[in-house]
Amino acid sequence: AQKVTQAQTEISVVEKEDVTLDCVYETRDTTYYLFWYKQPPSGELVFLIRRNSFDEQNEISGRYSWNFQKSTSSFNFTITASQVVDSAVYFCALSDPSGSARQLTFGSGTQLTVLP
Amino acid sequence: NAGVTQTPKFQVLKTGQSMTLQCAQDMNHEYMSWYRQDPGMGLRLIHYSVGAGITDQGEVPNGYNVSRSTTEDFPLRLLSAAPSQTSVYFCASRTPGPPYEQYFGPGTRLTVT
Repeated sequence: AQKVTQAQTEISVVEKEDVTLDCVYETRDTTYYLFWYKQPPSGELVFLIRRNSFDEQNEISGRYSWNFQKSTSSFNFTITASQVVDSAVYFCALSDPSGSARQLTFGSGTQLTVLP
Repeated sequence: NAGVTQTPKFQVLKTGQSMTLQCAQDMNHEYMSWYRQDPGMGLRLIHYSVGAGITDQGEVPNGYNVSRSTTEDFPLRLLSAAPSQTSVYFCASRTPGPPYEQYFGPGTRLTVT
């Protein structure tokens, strides 16, 4: 069975600090996709990034960066120089590659609060 | 192109009442699904469909029914609402092939008293 663990339930930082959100996953599949979503206070789910299991290159997008390490089954998300607008719940998710069954398996989410 | 739409946005029900949460997509996606979001538990899959006329259960299907008569629509029915069904419900559709990207609706916040 697939599982996604986000051990950090809540994180609070002061603006301009860097913060890393952890994501550890379990799957028996050799091909899979990993995702990060942001859920701001308004409630919608905002897609941030997708990674497939064959691409272990780290990715940077502005202040956001992602570290995918297959050896430790982790897909961590770092926000550099955090801003108040980054306050949200962040979800890590794992996709069933066959597409016919489980759709997405989500972690329980990390509530990030950035204080001014 | 509206993407995935859900109605209503908010709903309050009394225990035992029934209702249907509507979901529609205009991207011609075969795959659609319903998730519920509860505090501290992330999103959990309720039901999904791989095409018109085909549905299957997800992780938490009890108390919910679905049907898929068209590619566009995937309604979720609560036959007899219970307080345990108080949650935020998200409908999603996804691309048929890699990278299996999911498109989420804006959500329906349901309260059962």
